[in-house]
Amino acid sequence: DVKVTQSSRYLVKRTGEKVFLECVQDMDHENMFWYRQDPGLGLRLIYFSYDVKMKEKGDIPEGYSVSREKKERFSLILESASTNQTSMYLCASSLWGASGTWLESANEKLFFGSGTQLSVL
Amino acid sequence: GENVEQHPSTLSVQEGDSAVIKCTYSDSASNYFPWYKQELGKRPQLIIDIRSNVGEKKDQRIAVTLNKTAKHFSLHITETQPEDSAVYFCAGAPRAGNMLTFGGGTRLMVKP
Repeated sequence: DVKVTQSSRYLVKRTGEKVFLECVQDMDHENMFWYRQDPGLGLRLIYFSYDVKMKEKGDIPEGYSVSREKKERFSLILESASTNQTSMYLCASSLWGASGTWLESANEKLFFGSGTQLSVL
Repeated sequence: GENVEQHPSTLSVQEGDSAVIKCTYSDSASNYFPWYKQELGKRPQLIIDIRSNVGEKKDQRIAVTLNKTAKHFSLHITETQPEDSAVYFCAGAPRAGNMLTFGGGTRLMVKP
């Protein structure tokens, strides 16, 4: 069974701090994603990566950066945390080549982590 | 980009009744529509998906229908049970090169 592990379940930080959220998957998936979840807004894509050292902006990348130095690990970085970044952050992974094109495989069956509830005070 | 709207935001049904959640999408080129279920305090999990070349798909008590002309798709849960209580998210895959866009979620409550 695929396991996507996020390093912290709850995190409290102060405004202006640099914050690192870590995600590790154990199924050799090529694709990894960071979403934030806010009530009524669903899941919004921040960044995704389809290979080591590769990254693509999602819908809301402002104020965030990512790092993928190893295939199994995808880190989300808040360079200077702000109160409007208080949210639930979800990491996900998926398998490349499950079917057809990269787009189809990337979209198919996302495996999510349990989430990190970040509070910025 | 793609825009996915989901209704209702909350839905309460009696155990044994049916539940229907509807989503509309804006990009006519979208071709993949998954549904994710998130139980309280847990991670979202894929429960069913449908591609644009299919009008309906069933898996036991759940089914998804797709109307490409009207650009909407729906999740149907029959004979609801308390364990169906969760937040359900629909999503659509927009044009090539973009990623899934999720709806705002529906909190389904099944009353025993």
